[in-house]
Amino acid sequence: SAVISQKPSRDICQRGTSLTIQCQVDSQVTMMFWYRQQPGQSLTLIATANQGSEATYESGFVIDKFPISRPNLTFSTLTVSNMSPEDSSIYLCSALDSPSYEQYFGPGTRLTVT
Amino acid sequence: KQEVTQIPAALSVPEGENLVLNCSFTDSAIYNLQWFRQDPGKGLTSLLLIQSSQREQTSGRLNASLDKSSGRSTLYIAASQPGDSATYLCAALSYNTDKLIFGTGTRLQVFP
Repeated sequence: SAVISQKPSRDICQRGTSLTIQCQVDSQVTMMFWYRQQPGQSLTLIATANQGSEATYESGFVIDKFPISRPNLTFSTLTVSNMSPEDSSIYLCSALDSPSYEQYFGPGTRLTVT
Repeated sequence: KQEVTQIPAALSVPEGENLVLNCSFTDSAIYNLQWFRQDPGKGLTSLLLIQSSQREQTSGRLNASLDKSSGRSTLYIAASQPGDSATYLCAALSYNTDKLIFGTGTRLQVFP
């Protein structure tokens, strides 16, 4: 199984600023993902973080707002840019373990935008 | 497009009861189905993973079943305890997209 850590665990940010969230996996994984969970909602996939190439974004999410990096097979970052109160959510990183295709999640980053 | 729904949305039961949580999905072309637990404000903990070729998986007091033909999975919790109180999410990993699609969740409260 994969163990995933995220930093920061929580933050309170001002409108218009940006925050970068880091995700570290304890083993090499082929696929990493970023999700958002708004208050009282289920998880929504933001993008698939691809190693060595641009991330693949889901409908409704764009690179300018949520730039993602994945420099190697164990690390990824998600930046939430030009934040507004609507960005207040829990952001979760996950990794897909092969060959079982079991997905593991980090503890999440709770973001509050004021 | 895969859609995953869960029933009931919320459940409150006394300690000791056996529970069944339901999950349904519209596209049967899945690698697997996974059940997660989420405590308030926390990340997701994987409980059980059922591969598409399997019918059920068990871990302790938890048993999950999968019926691909009907697009359903159930999570059975035996002898529930207050510590089981959490939100339970099911998610299907689709062949077509390699993406995990989540259900809406069941919020469970077990009272002493």
